[in-house]
Amino acid sequence: DAKTTQPNSMESNEEEPVHLPCNHSTISGTDYIHWYRQLPSQGPEYVIHGLTSNVNNRMASLAIAEDRKSSTLILHRATLRDAAVYYCILRDVTGNQFYFGTGTSLTVIP
Amino acid sequence: DADVTQTPRNRITKTGKRIMLECSQTKGHDRMYWYRQDPGLGLRLIYYSFDVKDINKGEISDGYSVSRQAQAKFSLSLESAIPNQTALYFCATSDPGTGNQPQHFGDGTRLSIL
Repeated sequence: DAKTTQPNSMESNEEEPVHLPCNHSTISGTDYIHWYRQLPSQGPEYVIHGLTSNVNNRMASLAIAEDRKSSTLILHRATLRDAAVYYCILRDVTGNQFYFGTGTSLTVIP
Repeated sequence: DADVTQTPRNRITKTGKRIMLECSQTKGHDRMYWYRQDPGLGLRLIYYSFDVKDINKGEISDGYSVSRQAQAKFSLSLESAIPNQTALYFCATSDPGTGNQPQHFGDGTRLSIL
């Protein structure tokens, strides 16, 4: 699996949108882009995934660059419960393994 | 009840002891995984299993062994624990797929080896 690069930390004000970036310049054509988040004292939780097109679900939106070398997780209105470490992961077509990086620690300011 | 349950949640033990961490799931998934998490290093894959008869080494399998007793159960053993195996351990499950299947994690076991 290819590697991803994310900022170590970000801050956002409560009720404002948050854009969490991820670079994956070595992505292959069949790699899926997954996002997970980890709340304190819990296991990682699936957020969203996509291949080429932008994706929306009840938790977030995923914007994928046209060349697929970067993506952005969008939380439309940050809440205090969104404070977590967010991981951007590439998963190949075999689906055998995930490689987690160190993620982005999001702080939400009331 | 949680879909993926890990026991124990916390364990403190001494160097040289044999430790078993257990994972059970009610999601009916074929695939199960063990990860460890160290501060500042994210999660790293130890072992994974695609079904009861299939066991595969991950990125950091040395010093660990696993057993897939049934579709719903996957245990991780440390035959002779050492202090640098102190970490947070996670079990996960997923459906088979072509890379688009999410993984579902337990809440972890915090293991301290003195």
